[in-house]
Amino acid sequence: QKEVEQNSGPLSVPEGAIASLNCTYSDRVSQSFFWYRQYSGKSPELIMSIYSNGDKEDGRFTAQLNKASQYVSLLIRDSQPSDSATYLCAIRPGGAQKLVFGQGTRLTINP
Amino acid sequence: DTGVSQDPRHKITKRGQNVTFRCDPISEHNRLYWYRQTLGQGPEFLTYFQNEAQLEKSRLLSDRFSAERPKGSFSTLEIQRTEQGDSAMYLCASTGQLNEQFFGPGTRLTVL
Repeated sequence: QKEVEQNSGPLSVPEGAIASLNCTYSDRVSQSFFWYRQYSGKSPELIMSIYSNGDKEDGRFTAQLNKASQYVSLLIRDSQPSDSATYLCAIRPGGAQKLVFGQGTRLTINP
Repeated sequence: DTGVSQDPRHKITKRGQNVTFRCDPISEHNRLYWYRQTLGQGPEFLTYFQNEAQLEKSRLLSDRFSAERPKGSFSTLEIQRTEQGDSAMYLCASTGQLNEQFFGPGTRLTVL
């Protein structure tokens, strides 16, 4: 079992709709969770971090964490074509400084 | 621009040659990380430094790879005797007090 699993997609969402991206992880003691956005040919850009169970909202983005289910998600409201990118889920395993990434979900927003 | 910088941005080399990449972290960030990313995959951890000390190395970091951060500021990653399988994007990241990692633009390596 991979440490961090994401559906690789592609996920297609109409403009203006809600895009929902999901991630599961295997390390039960992980405390830190991150979402990065990566445009083609570019490096990952941090968009959200979440450390506690529940929801965290930042503009059009909401991260949701459920440690009991080992599940973290990212919702993008009012999706825009500029949101089309690969979204990477990352965890910091317990006691570690490194990040472990999923393979990413490719999201396409259709005008 | 006070973000993480990397040099060069692109490197094309022939198999068997040595290459060296440089990373300048965000100033005052004491932790610096190297990752490697291949097409269609997420970044994979290679190594990290706290100040000048290299505290963790991945099993991915074979004997041909070496990293340094001699004065606790910039870091270099050297690959000796490059192989075609080394072709990838090499990413550097740094963290400050919040422990959030910010990535540089990466160095894309192509080994012919």
